[in-house]
Amino acid sequence: DTAVSQTPKYLVTQMGNDKSIKCEQNLGHDTMYWYKQDSKKFLKIMFSYNNKELIINETVPNRFSPKSPDKAHLNLHINSLELGDSAVYFCASSQGQGDLYEQYFGPGTRLTVT
Amino acid sequence: RKEVEQDPGPFNVPEGATVAFNCTYSNSASQSFFWYRQDCRKEPKLLMSVYSSGNEDGRFTAQLNRASQYISLLIRDSKLSDSATYLCVVPYSGGYNKLIFGAGTRLAVHP
Repeated sequence: DTAVSQTPKYLVTQMGNDKSIKCEQNLGHDTMYWYKQDSKKFLKIMFSYNNKELIINETVPNRFSPKSPDKAHLNLHINSLELGDSAVYFCASSQGQGDLYEQYFGPGTRLTVT
Repeated sequence: RKEVEQDPGPFNVPEGATVAFNCTYSNSASQSFFWYRQDCRKEPKLLMSVYSSGNEDGRFTAQLNRASQYISLLIRDSKLSDSATYLCVVPYSGGYNKLIFGAGTRLAVHP
């Protein structure tokens, strides 16, 4: 069984469209994250939720809106997609909130905006 | 000093070699550190956690030097399958309970 899963794996869309990425974890973890890895391979945190509550909200455009319907799911909706949004988006989860906990990553969603 | 810095490499080594990577960090209060491995076009996977002076798991040894604020990863008897990018991960110095990922060090093991 996959511990952290994401859908879709690949997403190709045009500028201006709205798209969503879904993430689910079956590890029983309390905390979930969204990361962006750009073409230079830097992995940067975007958002973090702990028990459905937003705890980290980095400086990302408000076109990006996360939503956590329950602690096993964290979705990412992106409005008005731009070329610069092309990247790999990783979902991750950890047992608890804080920097003492290892994070486990999903397989990533490769977003290409044309 | 940057939150976390790594030599990007690549480190090209023959099978069986011993190779070491260093990672420097700025948060002197950090208590936990991690090494992740990322294969090409794959997700990062946890390789090792470091909470005290170091950790060892088979051919992999992580050492922590708090005085100089660096963490090292030593790989002994390198295998072809060790070829990957190794990410050093440290807590963010500004709090918020978040982790900062280094840009990674590329390792290429050749026959």
